[in-house]
Amino acid sequence: EAEVAQSPRYKITEKSQAVAFWCDPISGHATLYWYRQILGQGPELLVQFQDESVVDDSQLPKDRFSAERLKGVDSTLKIQPAELGDSAMYLCASSRHSGREYEQYFGPGTRLTVT
Amino acid sequence: TQLLEQSPQFLSIQEGENLTVYCNSSSVFSSLQWYRQEPGEGPVLLVTVVTGGEVKKLKRLTFQFGDARKDSSLHITAAQPGDTGLYLCAGNNAGNMLTFGGGTRLMVKP
Repeated sequence: EAEVAQSPRYKITEKSQAVAFWCDPISGHATLYWYRQILGQGPELLVQFQDESVVDDSQLPKDRFSAERLKGVDSTLKIQPAELGDSAMYLCASSRHSGREYEQYFGPGTRLTVT
Repeated sequence: TQLLEQSPQFLSIQEGENLTVYCNSSSVFSSLQWYRQEPGEGPVLLVTVVTGGEVKKLKRLTFQFGDARKDSSLHITAAQPGDTGLYLCAGNNAGNMLTFGGGTRLMVKP
């Protein structure tokens, strides 16, 4: 069964350092999402891509966060510089584009700890 | 902003008991999804409900979408320790944006 891949699974970094996360969506899924989930809460959308284009990044803190999906397949989320409050689970999800097939499938996540 | 409220936030029950988790909103959604998430893992999709009043069953889990497509419930019959986890509902609007509830953390004790 196809799955969304994410790496690394865990990342510990010091504040003010740069950190990057990678996501490979399910093959054929045109839409890719990055979410942030604080412990004990539901995921919150950071950015949504349709192929290589950003559809919504209104909740992305653009002073320190950036995201790209250059070839419309895999994607990278970067934080520079990391702050203590960025400690969270970063989840990637993908879905097909058309019709009612809007079900989103999540990867295992990257647990970020900023010290 | 569309908000989804889940209740209860926490639930601890004994194996064999029944339970219901609620997901409520003042907004209408085109569809609603339920996920289960285990610690350190990503959410796993359980079901999608689309039609108002729709009921879907997945083994011991029964999902219902409200007639007005603003609320949903998840009922588990004869809960087992393997049902332990964080249950998340997420409403999908026409723009394919998911709004997640805060989750219900379920613990089923043997």
